[in-house]
Amino acid sequence: ETGVTQSPTHLIKTRGQQVTLRCSSQSGHNTVSWYQQALGQGPQFIFQYYREEENGRGNFPPRFSGLQFPNYSSELNVNALELDDSALYLCASSLPRTGPNSPLHFGNGTRLTVT
Amino acid sequence: DQQVKQNSPSLSVQEGRISILNCDYTNSMFDYFLWYKKYPAEGPTFLISISSIKDKNEDGRFTVFLNKSAKHLSLHIVPSQPGDSAVYFCAASFSNNDMRFGAGTRLTVKP
Repeated sequence: ETGVTQSPTHLIKTRGQQVTLRCSSQSGHNTVSWYQQALGQGPQFIFQYYREEENGRGNFPPRFSGLQFPNYSSELNVNALELDDSALYLCASSLPRTGPNSPLHFGNGTRLTVT
Repeated sequence: DQQVKQNSPSLSVQEGRISILNCDYTNSMFDYFLWYKKYPAEGPTFLISISSIKDKNEDGRFTVFLNKSAKHLSLHIVPSQPGDSAVYFCAASFSNNDMRFGAGTRLTVKP
């Protein structure tokens, strides 16, 4: 069973730039969620994708956007980077939200630093 | 809007003793509760979960208790082992919607 994989592991960007983070979901999972974890805090929900459509969104501005592909992999795009965007970005896959409650399975994250 | 709270940032216990991690929530609509463990440089790993229709769920050394009237969740680890040292997050969701996480508790188990 292949787990959730994220790339890159680390990234340094300059304020105002754009970044794309990538995620491959665990086999058999067709729902992908993205979380932001700032230092000393718990993961904060950004959005979720199911069947290639956004299926729920947290309190993040529109410059945070995403995509899900037919193979269930996903991208997180952040435009006009700000210093406060520096964080660990976590991708998690799960079984469909329309089914019974199921846990999220996380990747190891991408550490983004904005200077 | 902090709907899930872990008020203890850290906990230290002796190997072999019980570790009790606590979590409070405010949203009575939550129907699914989970605990995750996180080691440095790794993503959170699912540990154990409980549905709101139950008040206890056990898996080996780990037991989760749910007190719905108090909106309180706890994780018991017995006996604690040095390998259990990690940051523990509690989380909650309703109808498989977005999962809300607490800020985490760093558990240190001393040999």
